Amino acid sequence: GENVEQHPSTLSVQEGDSAVIKCTYSDSASNYFPWYKQELGKGPQLIIDIRSNVGEKKDQRIAVTLNKTAKHFSLHITETQPEDSAVYFCAASIRGIYDYKLSFGAGTTVTVRA
Amino acid sequence: DGGITQSPKYLFRKEGQNVTLSCEQNLNHDAMYWYRQDPGQGLRLIYYSQIVNDFQKGDIAEGYSVSREKKESFPLTVTSAQKNPTAFYLCASSLGLGAEAFFGQGTRLTVV
Repeated sequence: GENVEQHPSTLSVQEGDSAVIKCTYSDSASNYFPWYKQELGKGPQLIIDIRSNVGEKKDQRIAVTLNKTAKHFSLHITETQPEDSAVYFCAASIRGIYDYKLSFGAGTTVTVRA
Repeated sequence: DGGITQSPKYLFRKEGQNVTLSCEQNLNHDAMYWYRQDPGQGLRLIYYSQIVNDFQKGDIAEGYSVSREKKESFPLTVTSAQKNPTAFYLCASSLGLGAEAFFGQGTRLTVV
C-alpha cells in the first residue's frame, strides 16, 4: 500500500516568514495529493490539492509543488500569519480506481510566532 | 446549514463495553468514511462506504463495525474487541469515491 512520510513534525516560524512542509510517497500510481489544515479540536479542512498532471498550484499565500520523478510534494505558505498556526497533513491517493483510499502523512505542527 | 455532524464530541467508555459514534451528513454525499487519529500519527482509515447498504474495510477495521442503512448516516461501533480504542475519531463524506472529503468535528473517545 501507499506510504506517505511528512517532514518536519514541528515547525516554528516568525510571522511574515515562509513555511515549507515536505512529503514523500511510495506508490508511483498515486495521482492526487491534497493538503489538510487541522485546528485544535476540529476536523481537518482541505486547503489545496494537486493532481499528477500539474507541477505547481497556487492559491493566494499557499502553493503546492509536485515532483513525480522524485515522488515528493511540498506545501509552501508565504507571509505567515498567526492564524496559520495549526497541524497540516499531506495525503496521497489513487483516484479513478474503485478502491479509493487516502494515505495521510503524520502531520506537521506549525507555530507562527508574533 | 449543510455539513457533517458527529456526536458526541467527548465519550467515555468502560473497558469491555461497546460504544457507537454517530455521523450524519446533509450534503447529499454518496461516500462516507471513518478515520482514527492518534497523537503523532496521520489519519488511518477504519471503514468506508460508497453507497447505502455497502461498506468496505479500511486499514484498521479490526474491532470496529459500521452500518449504512441511510445515505445520511454512517454510525461506527467500537467493540470490546478493539484493544486500544482511546483515540480521536473523524467521520468524513464526499460526493463520490475520490472526490474532495469533508470532515466532521470529531469524537474523542476515552476508555476508563
